[in-house]
Amino acid sequence: EAGVVQSPRYKIIEKKQPVAFWCNPISGHNTLYWYLQNLGQGPELLIRYENEEAVDDSQLPKDRFSAERLKGVDSTLKIQPAELGDSAVYLCASSRGQLNTEAFFGQGTRLTVV
Amino acid sequence: AQTVTQSQPEMSVQEAETVTLSCTYDTSESDYYLFWYKQPPSRQMILVIRQEAYKQQNATENRFSVNFQKAAKSFSLKISDSQLGDAAMYFCAYKEGAQKLVFGQGTRLTINP
Repeated sequence: EAGVVQSPRYKIIEKKQPVAFWCNPISGHNTLYWYLQNLGQGPELLIRYENEEAVDDSQLPKDRFSAERLKGVDSTLKIQPAELGDSAVYLCASSRGQLNTEAFFGQGTRLTVV
Repeated sequence: AQTVTQSQPEMSVQEAETVTLSCTYDTSESDYYLFWYKQPPSRQMILVIRQEAYKQQNATENRFSVNFQKAAKSFSLKISDSQLGDAAMYFCAYKEGAQKLVFGQGTRLTINP
């Protein structure tokens, strides 16, 4: 089966510009996660979806970050406006649901804000 | 809140030797899962091994095994017969049911030929 697909793999933007990342989870996976990974650190959760519902967005900076998963399949994460400190890797992961705890990750998007 | 600590920022080992990566965690729960993920330069997190807290037997996957000490809240990863392809960042992670994965800071493993 195809893995978690993310695009783009790399993105360079100027500060104050908007940017969007896309994630297509593994088919049949109800749970979708967006993680932020700063250089040399472990990933930290931004938002978790169960189908189309955001069930944990407590760590999402809502003044500039937004996410959607309208049909409970693919998802988009947006930053507007981007700041220098947003430079990081954005990882998407998915899992089958509550009874299956293994999460599969995409290759991530490396964002550089200049 | 649950926390995961990896006290070794970097480790190195000679090819074909054995290395152990350390991980401790903090939780008040009794039912949870622990994982070791590998992240090569390609950035994709790859699951190495998982352990259910209710299982006393330590998980093993080929050359990878864990030493799970529930009372001590310790979860170390042993890599036997290290290979050049094992070089990567290794992350220990904790999870309760459908909740989020909580990651440690990672350990960079270098394999010396």
